[in-house]
Amino acid sequence: GENVEQHPSTLSVQEGDSAVIKCTYSDSASNYFPWYKQELGKGPQLIIDIRSNVGEKKDQRIAVTLNKTAKHFSLHITETQPEDSAVYFCAASIEFGNEKLTFGTGTRLTIIP
Amino acid sequence: DADVTQTPRNRITKTGKRIMLECSQTKGHDRMYWYRQDPGLGLQLIYYSFDVKDINKGEISDGYSVSRQAQAKFSLSLESAIPNQTALYFCATSDPTSFAETQYFGPGTRLLVL
Repeated sequence: GENVEQHPSTLSVQEGDSAVIKCTYSDSASNYFPWYKQELGKGPQLIIDIRSNVGEKKDQRIAVTLNKTAKHFSLHITETQPEDSAVYFCAASIEFGNEKLTFGTGTRLTIIP
Repeated sequence: DADVTQTPRNRITKTGKRIMLECSQTKGHDRMYWYRQDPGLGLQLIYYSFDVKDINKGEISDGYSVSRQAQAKFSLSLESAIPNQTALYFCATSDPTSFAETQYFGPGTRLLVL
């Protein structure tokens, strides 16, 4: 089955700086890669996703890149703000296949004011 | 997300007790999931259901059972709770007809087994 590794497990950045979280996956058949944000006391919420037919996707301060050859994908947050502090999870699945998400182990991001 | 609710939000129980965690959704989604979250282990899939008559085991189903009573309700049971089942449990739903099969999570149930 799919295995997703996520690094780092914790990350602290100064407000205004950029944050990068990296994930690798094992199953070359995976083609859908969402990122979820979990705020304290809440369930995870989708913030951005990417499919294997594109290499990069942006949404305001958030971007995700995908390298299919190396089987890794990354989340980039620019101009970080205090409200970006949360736990972030990457995931992988085979879209239109069994659609079961395999999650990474999470990254706790802390923005230092 | 208020569209996916979980009860109770917190539960303390003793070893050997049977407990049930309930999930309800108003999103009209056919697919529902139960996950377990432990520190440093991310989200692990316990069981999932693609419609009312469908139940499937996930990665870590041992010691758990589920019931899909209706499209909107999916319950998780611990037949005989043990301390290593202490964790945060999440229910989620998804819509197979949407192009992006986003999963929508409930607020979680924090379970402590003494």
